[in-house]
Formats: sequence, C-alpha cells, structure tokens
Amino acid sequence: AQRVTQPEKLLSVFKGAPVELKCNYSYSGSPELFWYVQYSRQRLQLLLRHISRESIKGFTADLNKGETSFHLKKPFAQEEDSAMYYCALSRGGSQGNLIFGKGTKLSVKP
Amino acid sequence: EPEVTQTPSHQVTQMGQEVILRCVPISNHLYFYWYRQILGQKVEFLVSFYNNEISEKSEIFDDQFSVERPDGSNFTLKIRSTKLEDSAMYFCASSEGLGRYYGYTFGSGTRLTVV
Repeated sequence: AQRVTQPEKLLSVFKGAPVELKCNYSYSGSPELFWYVQYSRQRLQLLLRHISRESIKGFTADLNKGETSFHLKKPFAQEEDSAMYYCALSRGGSQGNLIFGKGTKLSVKP
Repeated sequence: EPEVTQTPSHQVTQMGQEVILRCVPISNHLYFYWYRQILGQKVEFLVSFYNNEISEKSEIFDDQFSVERPDGSNFTLKIRSTKLEDSAMYFCASSEGLGRYYGYTFGSGTRLTVV
C-alpha cells in the first residue's frame, strides 16, 4: 500500500539553526513527491516538488529512491518558517490524487 | 495570483441534514479534487473529477457523497445525510493538468461541524 510517513509531529528549533523535516514513503512505482506548507489559518501551499528540483524560501528536498525518502532541509531557520509541513506523494499513471503524511509542526524560536 | 475559492468557510449542520460545500477552481484548470482533514489527522483524498466525471475516488467517498460541476465554474461536494464523523476540514483543489506534473492549488477549506 502507498504510504507517506512523517515521523515527527513537532520539531522545535532556534532561529538560525538547521532544519530537517523527515519524510519517508512506500510506493512500488515511480512517485512524484511534494512538500506542502500550511501557515497558521491559511491554505495548503505548494512549497516544493521533486520534479522541479528548485529551492523555495531556502528549502530544498532531494528524492532518495534507495532510502525512499524526501527530507526537507533548510540550513538556517527563520521565525517565519513556523508552520505545518506536509509531505505528499502522487502515484503514477492517470491517478493524480495526493497521499499525505500526517504533517510536522515546525516551531522556530527566536 | 489565481486562487481556489471555497464557501462557506465554516458550516454547522445537524446530523442527518444535507450539506453542499462549494468551490470555484482556477478558471483554466481541468482537474478538480476534494480532500478532507479530520481534526488531528492527515489530509485524505476523497475524489477527483475530470471531463465532467469522477476519475478516481477513495473508500471514504461512499454513496453519501456526490460531486458536481453544475455551471462550468463551481465544483460542489454534497453530503446527503451527514454523520458526526463527517466533521472535518474539507479542501478543494484544482490543477491545470494531471496534478502530479502540474501541481495542485488548494482552497482555504470549509470547516464542517456536524452536531
């Protein structure tokens, strides 16, 4: 079965510290992986997708097929990064829906 | 930047009543989706809609649920006879093409409370 696992419910770091939000997936095919962010009381926003290999707001994520991981990283956290972060997987073929992880709440302290 | 609009933002309904949640996807998008998030749980896929028909649905999307694109702009989710366990945040999303390639744009959600 397809599954996305985010092992940390809450991650708390100090401003300027490095951040790594973990995401592991289970899928036998070739997945598309995404990171979505949800700031307080706002909508889910696309942060990154592995297909585009870009860096947004200083965040990067590399798909590691051997470890079936797509961890989100940022070298220096900012207070405005505090939010819920969701890792999501989209399956191959014509099935376009997303399978989400449970999310990690990132709290960046001053 | 274009947005997916959802109304209402919060709806309270009595158990057994019908509710219709409304969404206006981005105008040139072709694929439409409904997701829900029960408090404290993960976001779950309900249904996808393309070319005026359901393209995929999850086990959650049973006979109590239906979707419609009545007028070419709105995309609605109807729950015929609400249950307490239908209380959740419901998100609409749309994508220009197949979401796995084009990405998904989400609305701000409708919080449904069934009492």
